[in-house]
Amino acid sequence: DIQMTQSPSTLSASVGDRVTITCRASQSISSWLAWYQQKSGKAPKLLIYKASSLESGVPSRFSGSGSGTEFTLTISSLQPDDFATYYCQQYNTYSATFGQGTKVEIK
Amino acid sequence: QVQLQQSGPGLVKPSETLSLTCSVSGYSISRGYYWAWIRQPPGKGLEWIGSFYHSGSTYYNPSLKSRVTISVDTSRNQFSLNLSSVTAADTAVYYCARGRPGDGQSHYFDYWGQGTLVTVSS
Repeated sequence: DIQMTQSPSTLSASVGDRVTITCRASQSISSWLAWYQQKSGKAPKLLIYKASSLESGVPSRFSGSGSGTEFTLTISSLQPDDFATYYCQQYNTYSATFGQGTKVEIK
Repeated sequence: QVQLQQSGPGLVKPSETLSLTCSVSGYSISRGYYWAWIRQPPGKGLEWIGSFYHSGSTYYNPSLKSRVTISVDTSRNQFSLNLSSVTAADTAVYYCARGRPGDGQSHYFDYWGQGTLVTVSS
């Protein structure tokens, strides 16, 4: 099974900060990686797919990069609506595995 | 607009079978895409349970495979999850979701249901 590891687990930041979250795969997954945002009590929302493709309707301050085993999600200027938990997900094989999540908190 | 609406009991007794249904509107499940179940224990991360592909194939998480069945009713445009022999460890919010294919590989999830908290307790 492919394991996904996110870092950090928690991140404290202020409005306007540039924020970067890392996701590492236990083996190469090419660019088959998605990122989600989840707010408390709500279903996850798709942000990025294929490592760097922005889902329709998602603000351009969100971007993704990476390939192989190391990936990043960047929020260029953190907005009040962005405080949430973020998950990566690999879809390299006929299965799906999520990272453990990164909670972005208000500093 | 694609919408997924979940239904099913919020309380299941240990050793019994958890059953949930996801009704889809705005898209015919027989036309394409994967149709999946994902769960999230309270305060924890997301776990993929399994998916059904419109062609008829099903894929399950190996850790749950022996207890999981995903079935589809195309006439009602809905799909269902059965998880047998449940224990307290199966207590979670269960989500249904649409899986968008990733260029022939597996899939990621673009539309989600509202989530159903299922508690396993006597």
